[in-house]
Order: sequence, then structure tokens, then C-alpha cells
Amino acid sequence: DTGVSQNPRHKITKRGQNVTFRCDPISEHNRLYWYRQTLGQGPEFLTYFQNEAQLEKSRLLSDRFSAERPKGSFSTLEIQRTEQGDSAMYLCASRVLQGNYGYTFGSGTRLTVV
Amino acid sequence: AQKVTQAQTEISVVEKEDVTLDCVYETRDTTYYLFWYKQPPSGELVFLIRRNSFDEQNEISGRYSWNFQKSTSSFNFTITASQVVDSAVYFCALSEADNAGNMLTFGGGTRLMVKP
Repeated sequence: DTGVSQNPRHKITKRGQNVTFRCDPISEHNRLYWYRQTLGQGPEFLTYFQNEAQLEKSRLLSDRFSAERPKGSFSTLEIQRTEQGDSAMYLCASRVLQGNYGYTFGSGTRLTVV
Repeated sequence: AQKVTQAQTEISVVEKEDVTLDCVYETRDTTYYLFWYKQPPSGELVFLIRRNSFDEQNEISGRYSWNFQKSTSSFNFTITASQVVDSAVYFCALSEADNAGNMLTFGGGTRLMVKP
């Protein structure tokens, strides 16, 4: 078990391009969360999955943001038509369903939109 | 709605000094969980502690200690005899038990700089 893995670590893209990030959670963790962290701020919740079901997505920032977890294992977060304001660190976290124990976070994907 | 406030945006201390990071929270739930995370320059959030709302006992782990006071809605974090390796951004976070997703609400973070 190598923890939560996120790829890529860094992504630079031109405005208007689509980007996709991947998160591989700890294998036995049912829940997977996506957060966004802008410079100097705390992480902000975006969406979460319980196995393959996306149970909360109203906090995704706009309809340009979407996430999937097709087989209940890894997840992807896609941003379409990127804007400069999308530049941020995108963090993934996972945890077991029962209890409310410490979430395990990945190292994040830092997106820069130029 | 839940909210976490970390009023200290940046603290600078000299090595071996004690330092306390403040955290104040707001929630309507009677059952909730409070967390502290450390974020070193590498970016990964490192879990430090989880405390539930029914357990007000203070906790000590090595040089780290936490003071939970429901009466003032505070969950403060003290590092004793700080070291340069403690330099990082520290986040306090809240999760409500009644919230189906149990997602975390974070404070804005406190950047701690420990100088040799």
C-alpha cells in the first residue's frame, strides 16, 4: 500500500485546453474526495464518491468540471476549456466508509493555466 | 453551516520556542470531528490528529499537544520546543457527523516558520 497517488504532479496548459487528472486511492478505501486548494488558502471540497457512485457534486465549481470513478477504484477529474482562475492545487483524498477517521491525502496535482 | 477560522496567517519563531496555533470553529451539529493536518512544501497533507466532539480531554503526542474546549469552540495546537522541521502550513478542519459525505471544511491555514 503506497498511499494515495495522484498524476501528474504538475500540469501546465494553455487557456481553453481540457485537462484530466488521475487519483489512485488506497485500495480498501470506499470513499474518494476531490478538493481544490488555491494559493494561501485551505483546501475546498469539490465532490466525492462512495465506490463508483458520485454522491455529491453540487460543489463542483462550474459545469466545466466533472469527475468519474468508473469501477470504484481510481478517479479522474476533468476540467474543460480551462481558465486562468482554474490554476490551483487539486488534491485527492480517500478513507474507509465506516467511522470518521483521518483521511489520507495525495500529494496533489498543481495546475497552471497560462 | 460549518466554518473554521485560523486567525494567525503566519507565525515566525526561533528554534526551541513553544508555539500555539489557534483554531476556532462553528457548527450546529452536536456530533462532529476536528482534525489538524500539516502541509510541508511538498504539498501533501499529513494527518496529525482527529478528535470527536464528545472527547474534551487534551492530548499529547511527543512535542505536540492539543487543547479542545467546546465552551469556546476552539481546538488549539501547541508545539513544544519547536524545530526547523516543524516549518510548514498547518490546517485545522471540521467534519460533521450528520453530513452524509463527512467532507472536511478547512480553515485558511497558519504558516509556521521556525528559524534556527
